Amino acid sequence: EVQLVESGGGLVQPGGSLRLSCAASGFTFSSYEMNWVRQAPGKGLEWVSYISSSGSTIYYADSVKGRFTISRDNAKNSLYLQMNSLRAEDTAVYYCARDWGGGTVTPDYFDYWGQGTLVTVSS
Amino acid sequence: DIQMTQSPSSVSASVGDRVTITCRASQGISSWLAWYQQKPGKAPKLLIYAASSLQSGVPSRFSGSGSGTDFTLTISSLQPEDFATYYCQQANSFPSFGQGTRLEIK
Repeated sequence: EVQLVESGGGLVQPGGSLRLSCAASGFTFSSYEMNWVRQAPGKGLEWVSYISSSGSTIYYADSVKGRFTISRDNAKNSLYLQMNSLRAEDTAVYYCARDWGGGTVTPDYFDYWGQGTLVTVSS
Repeated sequence: DIQMTQSPSSVSASVGDRVTITCRASQGISSWLAWYQQKPGKAPKLLIYAASSLQSGVPSRFSGSGSGTDFTLTISSLQPEDFATYYCQQANSFPSFGQGTRLEIK
């Protein structure tokens, strides 16, 4: 069974940093591209970042470019999101999501999602 | 950036009804479109990809159609477990989602 389990969320002050983790199991993690997608409270979904299976190709949404860094450790079956210079508008549930279906080295569809971890940016 | 607009924003329907949700892209995206279902407090679930392909394990009452800029999600006969929020997502360029359509019980 595919499982994605996020951790690392919490309350942080504006300008602060946080590192999210996503532990993957039930599939060959090193063969799949991965993404982070977020959802502000009561709002819709926003794609945040993508990383290829090897980690060699990375993309970010304009809203987080220069502040967030995605990475992965295939030996540990883990995905990460380092978030710096956090703003109130970064408050959201952050989901890791497995990329699937497009056959391209770009973000496509998301076939499995974790349960999410809540990040709250507030003083 | 490609903007995705869903309509309606909310809809009320009864068990057994046929419901259609529309998604329009601000520019052509071929068939690079997915539909997701999200229930309160849960992660989204992939229903349809490539505009009309049913994801494994998803009931056949769900169907998708369209290409270019206009797409639809149809639920042929609503079941109690279908009341949720539905999102479209384009994958032609960096992903973007519609604002969501809340499907409520009448």
